[in-house]
Order: sequence, then structure tokens, then C-alpha cells
Amino acid sequence: QLQLQESGPGLVKPSETLSLTCIVSGASISSSSYYWGWIRQPPGKGLEWIGSIYYSGSTDHNPSLKSRVTMSVDTSKNQFSLKLRSVTAADTAVYYCARDQWLVHVGGPFDYWGQGTLVTVSS
Amino acid sequence: QSVLTQPPSASGSPGQRVTISCSGSSSNIGSNTVHWYQQLPGTAPKLLISSNNLRPSGVPDRFSGSKSGTSASLAISGLQSEDEADYYCAAWDDNLNTVVFGGGTKLTVL
Repeated sequence: QLQLQESGPGLVKPSETLSLTCIVSGASISSSSYYWGWIRQPPGKGLEWIGSIYYSGSTDHNPSLKSRVTMSVDTSKNQFSLKLRSVTAADTAVYYCARDQWLVHVGGPFDYWGQGTLVTVSS
Repeated sequence: QSVLTQPPSASGSPGQRVTISCSGSSSNIGSNTVHWYQQLPGTAPKLLISSNNLRPSGVPDRFSGSKSGTSASLAISGLQSEDEADYYCAAWDDNLNTVVFGGGTKLTVL
């Protein structure tokens, strides 16, 4: 059974870099059929796609966040990571990692999700 | 303000049929497929419907999706108490070059 688990600091200071890792178990991240994505949800609000990465390192991002986002993949550890620079309070959210089926475009549907991790941006 | 428009709330009694709408434009729903997610309280979203009307394995056939023009709908028949959740539609937007989500609809089972 495929499982995804996010890990990283729950508190980040304004202007610093948010760093999260998603560990994938139960399937190889090197599958040619899927991208691996990040989605976030501010408290009490809706969903926002951050970006998705292929096992080769190819990425696609939400243009609204692209200049601040870096994603990477480590196939040897079966995990992928997210870095979001220059964070503000507006970046406070639950961050989810998910498997991206990319049927036509990268960006969904997302068929397996991690449980999510709350990241608060505050001094 | 979400690119895809959903009613903020919907409700129904057990056993009833409920429909949740998702309105978009020619650059998103009008030219790309729609996916629906169910988010139970305190949990991660779950893929409910993909590509307008396909149910992933394990999703009951009480859930169905449809699309017409620049709008899509999620129908839930035989409503059950465990269907109480937030529901989100999503589609790729060709102009914004990103996937866009609806604002979500909170379904209450009376």
C-alpha cells in the first residue's frame, strides 16, 4: 500500500526558508507513470497546488510561487523535497505531498496523499 | 476568490440525492477535465472523481461526476452521515498554466 509522509519543522521565521521532505513507501518514486506533488491549505481555506516533480528531476510549478520554490528528488531514499524561500505569514498552511497522475497536465489528479504537516510562519 | 466557483455549503437528509456545482470558464473546465476531492474533517483530501466522471477503486458508485461546457457537477445519491465533508473541484487552467481549485463546498447531512 502506497504511503506518503511529510516531515519538517512546524515553525519557520518570516523571511527564512521552509523545508519539507516527503518519504514515499510502498512504491518506487522512480515510476515513469507519476509525478510527485506538493499542495498546501491555509487554515480554514482551500487548496493550492505548489508544484510537482518527476523522478528525473523535471519540475512544474504554480506560477504564483515559482520564483520562491525549489523542488528536488532523491531516488536512492525514495523521497522528494520542497523549499519555499522568503516566507511570510501568508505561507502558514498545512502542506501535503501527493502522487500526481498527470493525465494530461502535471497538477493532478492526486490519488495518494500524505497526512499533511502544519507549518506556521511566525517570529 | 477562487477561479472555480462552488457553493460554500450544501445539505441533505440521509438517503437523499445532493448535487454540488463547479463553475469555471473556457480556459479551465471548458477545455480540460475536472477532478473532485473529498476532505473529511481533520484529514487529507481524497480523490473522489477523476477526469470528469471516473471513480477510483474503492469509491462507492453513489458518487458520480459530470461536465457540460464550462461547468461540472458532483452528485451524491443515497446520502449517508459519513459523506459529511468538504468537497473540492479542480481543473487545469490553460491561461494561468496551473491547476486551479474551487473554494470548496461544505456538505452537511441533516
